[in-house]
Amino acid sequence: AQSVTQLGSHVSVSEGALVLLRCNYSSSVPPYLFWYVQYPNQGLQLLLKYTSAATLVKGINGFEAEFKKSETSFHLTKPSAHMSDAAEYFCAVILGDMRFGAGTRLTVKP
Amino acid sequence: DAGVTQSPTHLIKTRGQQVTLRCSPKSGHDTVSWYQQALGQGPQFIFQYYEEEERQRGNFPDRFSGHQFPNYSSELNVNALLLGDSALYLCASRPVGARTTEAFFGQGTRLTVV
Repeated sequence: AQSVTQLGSHVSVSEGALVLLRCNYSSSVPPYLFWYVQYPNQGLQLLLKYTSAATLVKGINGFEAEFKKSETSFHLTKPSAHMSDAAEYFCAVILGDMRFGAGTRLTVKP
Repeated sequence: DAGVTQSPTHLIKTRGQQVTLRCSPKSGHDTVSWYQQALGQGPQFIFQYYEEEERQRGNFPDRFSGHQFPNYSSELNVNALLLGDSALYLCASRPVGARTTEAFFGQGTRLTVV
């Protein structure tokens, strides 16, 4: 079974619209969850992480995510999309080492 | 502070050949992991090195091997290359024992097997 599952391989929004990228985690994994962003032909950059402190986590570039244990979810949001947000986004969990979801490609339309 | 550095950035190999990729971890990190990222997919865990030994391994064949040196740098070796080995290979480092610490990634090495 997947440790983390990202719903939607591709999300398209208009510039200025809400961004919502979905991630559900297996209830058997430790609740150390991460979101990474990857721009074309580059490595992964950490956006934010949840480590059992506040359930609402704020990250870089205006992104935030809320840990919901009852829903086993850790969805990533941003109130207003910018063209520069277009990238691949990965949800990840630590299981000995970092394990990643399949990724969601975000497209931002002008 | 230099982050994780990988070399080379790109290379092209012929099927059946062998390749070595290199990684220097972020300063202060002693655990190095390698990932394979095929086009359009998420990174897949290959293995992790700590104290010069392989500590964990993902579902990859023995053609994939590695090494960690006393200065914590690492190499990934792939023998008998297949076309399916074409991918972006990512190196990541973390401080050992840090359960909640994120991994820091290099820019990757793009391997093309022809």
